[in-house]
Amino acid sequence: DIQMTQSPSSVSASVGDRVTITCRASQGISSWLAWYQQKPGKAPKLLIYAASSLQSGVPSRFSGSGSGTDFTLTITSLQPEDFATYYCQQANSFPLTFGGGTKVEIK
Amino acid sequence: EVQLVQSGAEVKKPGESLRISCKGSGYKFTSYWISWVRQMPGKGLEWMGRIDPSDSYTNYSPSFQGHVTISVDKSISTAYLQWSSLKASDTAMYYCARPDGTSDSLDYWGQGSLVTVSS
Repeated sequence: DIQMTQSPSSVSASVGDRVTITCRASQGISSWLAWYQQKPGKAPKLLIYAASSLQSGVPSRFSGSGSGTDFTLTITSLQPEDFATYYCQQANSFPLTFGGGTKVEIK
Repeated sequence: EVQLVQSGAEVKKPGESLRISCKGSGYKFTSYWISWVRQMPGKGLEWMGRIDPSDSYTNYSPSFQGHVTISVDKSISTAYLQWSSLKASDTAMYYCARPDGTSDSLDYWGQGSLVTVSS
């Protein structure tokens, strides 16, 4: 199985801050990476697919980059509704695997 | 509008059987795989497996193979996740999800089915 390692596991930030979350795959996955946002009590929501493609309806302050084994999710100018947990997921091979999650908390 | 609607919360005893469901609408059900994802209390997301509704072909994560069964009834656009003998460790929220069609990123999600197993 491909292991996905996210860092940090949590981050405290203020509204307006820039936040960067990283995800590392245990082997190369090309650009087959997705990012999700999950709020308490809700299903995950797809933000980014194919490493850098913004899902329809997702604000442009979210962006993704990377290929191979190292990937980044960046939120520019953090908004109150962005406080949530974020997960990466490799879509290169089965079984699909998720990172452990990054909780973005209010500072 | 694409929707995945899951069955409601369940409370079961260890050793009991259970089947939860996920009904798709707003799209051609047989054209997209359905995946199941587990989230244990306070924990992260775990992909369990998937099924192709067109022919019932399944892929399971090795972590879940043999512990659950994924099935489908395409006549009613519904996928299922089934246990024959529940354990307390099966207590979790279970989501069904559909890929976006160009990759195995999961674009549409059900609302989740909470399964509680307790004696």
